[in-house]
Parts: sequence; structure tokens; C-alpha cells
Amino acid sequence: QVQLVESGGGLVKPGGSLRLSCVASGFTFNDYYMTWIRQAPGKGLEWVSYISGSGSNIHYADSVKGRFTVSRDNAKKSLFLQMNSLRAEDTAVYYCARDRLTASTPDHWGQGTLVTVSS
Amino acid sequence: DIQMTQSPSSLSASVGDRVTITCRASQGINNYLAWFQQKPGKAPKSLIYAASNLQSGVPSRFSGSGSGTDFSLTISSLQPEDFATYYCQQYSATPITFGQGTRLEIK
Repeated sequence: QVQLVESGGGLVKPGGSLRLSCVASGFTFNDYYMTWIRQAPGKGLEWVSYISGSGSNIHYADSVKGRFTVSRDNAKKSLFLQMNSLRAEDTAVYYCARDRLTASTPDHWGQGTLVTVSS
Repeated sequence: DIQMTQSPSSLSASVGDRVTITCRASQGINNYLAWFQQKPGKAPKSLIYAASNLQSGVPSRFSGSGSGTDFSLTISSLQPEDFATYYCQQYSATPITFGQGTRLEIK
């Protein structure tokens, strides 16, 4: 079955960096777009970024553009989110999700990893 | 950016009730609309894609409809496990955007 397991969250000071990872299993990883979605405490869902199966097509939300970088290692079935210049408003649970083969919307989600940006 | 507006923001209902949540896009999105369910402390769960297609494993009491700018999610007979927050999402254009959520509570 499809499994997505995120890691790498934690407490970081404003201006700091963090790298999130998501390890996938149960499907042919390189066939699928993958997405990062976040949720600030008590708030709604916010799309962050997606990346195509080959890594050649990438998009970001304006709120993270220039600070966050999404990448993937298909050999290791892993998705990454490098987060630099972190701000308090980046505090959130970050979810890794697999997009449907024929649509840019998730069909499977990871359990999430909490990122807290605070001094 | 395409704005997604859900209504109501919260809803109280009883087991067995039929409920409908609506989602309006600020511009036409064809049928590029998905619905998600989220329970407290848990990851979202995908329910519907392409406005009306049920994700595998989702009970048939859930249904979606709409096209263009106006969409709805209907639960035909509420079950105890359906009390949760529901989000719509447009994926017609980037940035992909979500509605603010509808909290469905037990009356």
C-alpha cells in the first residue's frame, strides 16, 4: 500500500534553515508528481510546492518562492523540501502528498512533520 | 490567484442528516476541484477529485457536483465518523488554493 513518511521537522530560530524529507513506498515513485502542503496551528491548508516525476516541472507558492527548494531522489524514493530564511509564519505541520496520475491533486498524504520557527 | 470560498464555515447536524457544503471559485476552474476531510490531529484524507469522482475506498454516501465556479459536497446520511473539517481545493491553476474549511459538528 502507498506510504509516505515525513521527517526533519523541529524547532528552528528565525532566519534558520531546515530540510524536510519524505520517503515513499508502495508505488512507482518516479511516475508521480509530489506535493508539499502545510497547515499552520489552528488554520487551514496551504499548498507550498509541487514537483514532477522527473523533477523538471516545479512550482512554488509566492509565500515561499526564493526561500524554499523542492527536490527529489527517485532512486531513493525520496522527496525533499529545503527551507531557508525561515520566518515565524512558516510554523506549520508540513505534509508530503502524492498527486494523482492524471490530476494535480493529492490522493495520498503522509502523517506530517511539525516545523516551529521561534526564538 | 483563484480564491475558493466555502459555506458555511461551520455546520451542526445529527447522525442520519443529509448535509451539503458549497464551494465557490473566484473564476472558472472547469471541474478541477477536489474535496478533503480532516479530523483533529490527523492528516487530510482525499475524498473526491474532478468535482464528482469518488476516491477509492470512500463511502458512497459522499458525492460531489458542480462545474465552472460553483461546487458542492453532499453527505447523504451522516455517520458518526463523518464529523470533521472539510476543505475544497482548486487545481486548475497555480498557485493551487484551498477553501477556508467547513467544520461539521454534532448537534
